[in-house]
Amino acid sequence: GAGVSQSPSNKVTEKGKDVELRCDPISGHTALYWYRQSLGQGLEFLIYFQGNSAPDKSGLPSDRFSAERTGGSVSTLTIQRTQQEDSAVYLCASSPRTGALTQYFGPGTRLLVL
Amino acid sequence: KQEVTQIPAALSVPEGENLVLNCSFTDSAIYNLQWFRQDPGKGLTSLLLIQSSQREQTSGRLNASLDKSSGRSTLYIAASQPGDSATYLCAVPSPQGGSEKLVFGKGTKLTVNP
Repeated sequence: GAGVSQSPSNKVTEKGKDVELRCDPISGHTALYWYRQSLGQGLEFLIYFQGNSAPDKSGLPSDRFSAERTGGSVSTLTIQRTQQEDSAVYLCASSPRTGALTQYFGPGTRLLVL
Repeated sequence: KQEVTQIPAALSVPEGENLVLNCSFTDSAIYNLQWFRQDPGKGLTSLLLIQSSQREQTSGRLNASLDKSSGRSTLYIAASQPGDSATYLCAVPSPQGGSEKLVFGKGTKLTVNP
């Protein structure tokens, strides 16, 4: 079956612009995660959605970052007023339920802020 | 706060060698530990997951061990092949907020030379 998909695969933007990154989880997966992988850094947790529960936003680095998950499926990560330090690979993952043993990752969106 | 460290950061070996990748974590109260593989431009693929009650897991030429008390895990790759070239990441669930968030090491970049 189809895995986690993300779009766009690459995004180049100018400092100060807003960007939207999209994630389509595996069908039926109720949990969705966003991570960020900066150059030379490990993957950092950003935000977690589980069903209709309030999302865990504890990893979002600033109020310029926000995410939505509509209809319990597709998710959009929005970065407002982008800064050069936002340049990174943004990875989305999904899992069938809370506490599932593994998360399935998408290919990521490579964001470059000039 | 859970911290995950991977050593070495990079490793280059000739084809056919057996090798060991190391992972250490600071908080031993983990549910499980996972090893992932990341190929350039692609997402993460889960290789092995070790439950906290287990000491090792094997899949083909891969063997992962876990020593919770010392906060260490190793990934052993037997008879390495050029196709094994990738970045290997280990991850543990964050002790804060349940098992949903993963804390990753920065990875070991492996190059297997033909």
